[in-house]
Amino acid sequence: QKEVEQNSGPLSVPEGAIASLNCTYSDRVSQSFFWYRQYSGKSPELIMSIYSNGDKEDGRFTAQLNKASQYVSLLIRDSQPSDSATYLCAVTAGNMLTFGGGTRLMVKP
Amino acid sequence: NAGVTQTPKFRILKIGQSMTLQCTQDMNHNYMYWYRQDPGMGLKLIYYSVGAGITDKGEVPNGYNVSRSTTEDFPLRLELAAPSQTSVYFCASSYSGRDQPQHFGDGTRLSIL
Repeated sequence: QKEVEQNSGPLSVPEGAIASLNCTYSDRVSQSFFWYRQYSGKSPELIMSIYSNGDKEDGRFTAQLNKASQYVSLLIRDSQPSDSATYLCAVTAGNMLTFGGGTRLMVKP
Repeated sequence: NAGVTQTPKFRILKIGQSMTLQCTQDMNHNYMYWYRQDPGMGLKLIYYSVGAGITDKGEVPNGYNVSRSTTEDFPLRLELAAPSQTSVYFCASSYSGRDQPQHFGDGTRLSIL
């Protein structure tokens, strides 16, 4: 069974720190990788996509992909209380997107 | 700029009742999906569709049915509602299945009592 694993957390970081969120996946043929943010009671919102090995930066967010080791990570620089949410890692396999269980991030003022 | 629209937003059903959750998208996306999310858990795929007239089962299809008569609409039907179907249901769409991200509706909170 294709799986996407995330530490459920909560991951607690102080305001201004770097938050590091990690995700591993089991299907070696996975090609596309996404990070979604989900606030409590809201729907998932796409924040990053990455398709090739290496780093991809967008503002305070950096996605990192290592296909050989089958992990993808999300770094959030200068973390703000408004970043407190659950972050879902998602990986494509064929026509379907498989989601991890999410990591809850808490940024403390 | 509607995107993916789900109705209703909230619903309470009695055990054994049936209902249809509506989902429509205005982005001309080919792929549409239904997920459920139980409290504190991740998303589980119920059904998906790669185009009008084509549907397929996901991870947890039992107790649900879908149809896709148009590109825009992808309703999810619950027959004989059970307490185990209490969840938040999300509809999503994407232009294609492999490389394109999915865009989500606001969800339907369903309670079966």
